[in-house]
Formats: sequence, structure tokens, C-alpha cells
Amino acid sequence: DGGITQSPKYLFRKEGQNVTLSCEQNLNHDAMYWYRQDPGQGLRLIYYSQIVNDFQKGDIAEGYSVSREKKESFPLTVTSAQKNPTAFYLCASSIRGIETQYFGPGTRLLVL
Amino acid sequence: AQRVTQPEKLLSVFKGAPVELKCNYSYSGSPELFWYVQYSRQRLQLLLRHISRESIKGFTADLNKGETSFHLKKPFAQEEDSAMYYCALTSFQKLVFGTGTRLLVSP
Repeated sequence: DGGITQSPKYLFRKEGQNVTLSCEQNLNHDAMYWYRQDPGQGLRLIYYSQIVNDFQKGDIAEGYSVSREKKESFPLTVTSAQKNPTAFYLCASSIRGIETQYFGPGTRLLVL
Repeated sequence: AQRVTQPEKLLSVFKGAPVELKCNYSYSGSPELFWYVQYSRQRLQLLLRHISRESIKGFTADLNKGETSFHLKKPFAQEEDSAMYYCALTSFQKLVFGTGTRLLVSP
């Protein structure tokens, strides 16, 4: 393992609080992705970025925001507008958008 | 719209039995299909992709465009195959995942 890391492993959010999940990769990949994994629903795409300083909404972007200021970093902010944030969040990267995606270990977000 | 369907949430078999995890898709065009696997306490990883035509850990998958299917098969299941399996297709430079099938192989 290695190559793509996520932190923290567990994150607790209070009501009305914004929290940021970290995703870093040293694979020199252009594309990066954020997914949300819920039991019985598979992986759903939140945001993705094909190149630095550019990103697109996925299927469930409401209540989330991202930035891509550096090639190796793609942080995800879960805002207070996300009413059901409890989930397992996975970050992934790929050389280009159509290539195999490599996944991080995930961050579990829980609401206090 | 592009969609991946995995009809079984759970598939339970005995060691040595054949396994088939079903995957159907809807896609206008020529899809690129993948199987990803998530073992307990490990990260999600690629198992195989249809363009490689490889057999990984004894698993194979054939793309059937007529039936729009990409079922994953293994002739003799092993206990270490127990995991969550996701079928996925590439659409506009992003992956669309199915809901996953949990495979449980009992001794």
C-alpha cells in the first residue's frame, strides 16, 4: 500500500460544523476522485478533478466542496449543508480519467 | 443513462464450489468494464478489466455485448475470496459503480 493516503482515519463532526478530509497522492496522477460509500448503495461520485485548478461535480455534490491547487492534493470539505454526512469516504486517483483508479484507505465520518 | 446493476447483495457458497457474480450494464457505445474488490480491512483495488482479458486469482470475466453483461466467474471458490465485489464501467472519464455483491465462502 501507499501512494495514495487519506487522513484522518476517523473524523467526528458536530452540528453546523464544516470538516475537511485530506487526500494526497505521490503517484504523479492527473485525475483524482472523491466517493461516498454507504451500505447497500455502492460508491457514489462526489467530485472529480482531471487536472490542477479544475474540478467537476459528480452525482452527489450538494453539501460538499473541493479544491485542487496542487497535483498531489485533493481535499474534500463536508459543509454544514450536508444533512446526512455519516459515511465512509474514499479518495482515488488515476493516470488519466479512463485508466485504472487507485484508492486510498478511506475516512469514516461520524456525526456527534 | 449509464448504469451498472449487481442484482445480488450477498452470495454465499462453499469452498470448492463455482462462483458467478452477476453484473449487467446499460451504456450507449462501447463500454470499458472493471471488477474491483475490497477484502476485509483492505482498500478497494482493481481485480480485472475486460480489455486486459486476464485471469486474476482464478477469476475471469467476459464482456457479452448482446446481453450487456460482465459476469465474474471462478470455477472453484476459496475462503480467501470472501470480499465485497464491485462491477464498474467508465463513462466520460469517470467510473460508474454497481451497488456491490458480498461473496462469502464457507469452509
